[in-house]
Amino acid sequence: KAGVTQTPRYLIKTRGQQVTLSCSPISGHRSVSWYQQTPGQGLQFLFEYFSETQRNKGNFPGRFSGRQFSNSRSEMNVSTLELGDSALYLCASSFSASGGNEQFFGPGTRLTVL
Amino acid sequence: QQQVKQSPQSLIVQKGGISIINCAYENTAFDYFPWYQQFPGKGPALLIAIRPDVSEKKEGRFTISFNKSAKQFSLHIMDSQPGDSATYFCGGGSNYKLTFGKGTLLTVNP
Repeated sequence: KAGVTQTPRYLIKTRGQQVTLSCSPISGHRSVSWYQQTPGQGLQFLFEYFSETQRNKGNFPGRFSGRQFSNSRSEMNVSTLELGDSALYLCASSFSASGGNEQFFGPGTRLTVL
Repeated sequence: QQQVKQSPQSLIVQKGGISIINCAYENTAFDYFPWYQQFPGKGPALLIAIRPDVSEKKEGRFTISFNKSAKQFSLHIMDSQPGDSATYFCGGGSNYKLTFGKGTLLTVNP
């Protein structure tokens, strides 16, 4: 079974631009979560989607948004990029409909904002 | 508010030794406690997890000990190997999200 895939793996953007990251969950998984990983803050929850509905959201500004498609693939968008948005963005998928707790992570997208 | 506190930040163990990483949580709504292992350049990989109605879970060389009254849990790696050198994250799960500790960098010397 293929794992969680994320594209692109690396991105370089400049301040003020926007970026869209993509995630394909493990086949059969309908829950997709997004996390931001930085050396200072560690792994921080962004949001979680199940059946195209956002069920929970972390403490990030509105510049961070996401969506999920009917095939469970998900995208996240960051608008008006800031230097502090440089991070590894991780997507995780889960089979569970009730809690989405057993999460399997992809390799991440490394975003650098210049 | 740091809901999951993990210690130590870094740990050096000799091959064959026992590695112990501790976590404390604040949110009593957590109903799932996983440990993840992350190698450089890779995403975190689920290692082992426990529910709060169980005090201990063992899988191979990895054991989670859970103390609900103290709101603490720990990961024990028996017979540590150089290949175990990685960053380990503990977490608490509830309401469709995981809250992670800051991580422990484990180095196992040969």
